[in-house]
Amino acid sequence: ETGVTQTPRHLVMGMTNKKSLKCEQHLGHNAMYWYKQSAKKPLELMFVYSLEERVENNSVPSRFSPECPNSSHLFLHLHTLQPEDSALYLCACSQYSSGGTEAFFGQGTRLTVV
Amino acid sequence: GQNIDQPTEMTATEGAIVQINCTYQTSGFNGLFWYQQHAGEAPTFLSYNVLDGLEEKGRFSSFLSRSKGYSYLLLKELQMKDSASYLCAVRDEDSGTYKYIFGTGTRLKVLA
Repeated sequence: ETGVTQTPRHLVMGMTNKKSLKCEQHLGHNAMYWYKQSAKKPLELMFVYSLEERVENNSVPSRFSPECPNSSHLFLHLHTLQPEDSALYLCACSQYSSGGTEAFFGQGTRLTVV
Repeated sequence: GQNIDQPTEMTATEGAIVQINCTYQTSGFNGLFWYQQHAGEAPTFLSYNVLDGLEEKGRFSSFLSRSKGYSYLLLKELQMKDSASYLCAVRDEDSGTYKYIFGTGTRLKVLA
């Protein structure tokens, strides 16, 4: 069992569909993140949750809606996406403190919007 | 603002040494990280620097100079499996919020 699990691994959806990405962490960390990774671009931070409270929304369009029901689970709800939203979506977790630890990543969900 | 720069691509020969440089600008520096990412896989943690100097971990070493906003990742005795993207990331603190800001990554090709 890996530390951070994302499902599904691959997703194809139409522009009018609604879908959700799921992330689950088994590391006992208190911060969770959503990143978007597009070709030839840096990982783009989308959302940060600390102790289940959203502390950062990095100017992400409202068609992406995060949810963090508890410290182990993070969702990204998707609706009316655009083709340019096709990317690898990565979930990560870390300990949220000045002590500074690395972020641990899930395998990602490869999203294709058609 | 926040900015991280690293070369897009590098090529090296099996058994050689390669150095991947990273420069950064950030207002709330709270550590620098290097990750390895193979195509289609998750980034995996390689090294962490928060104080100036060199951190060594087997074949991998990472250096940090905070005053220069500069880091490098040194890979020794290159192996074919080291062909991957190497991501430089800075942990940035802003008003109590911690974020990991990434560069575009350096794609390393190791040739036989």
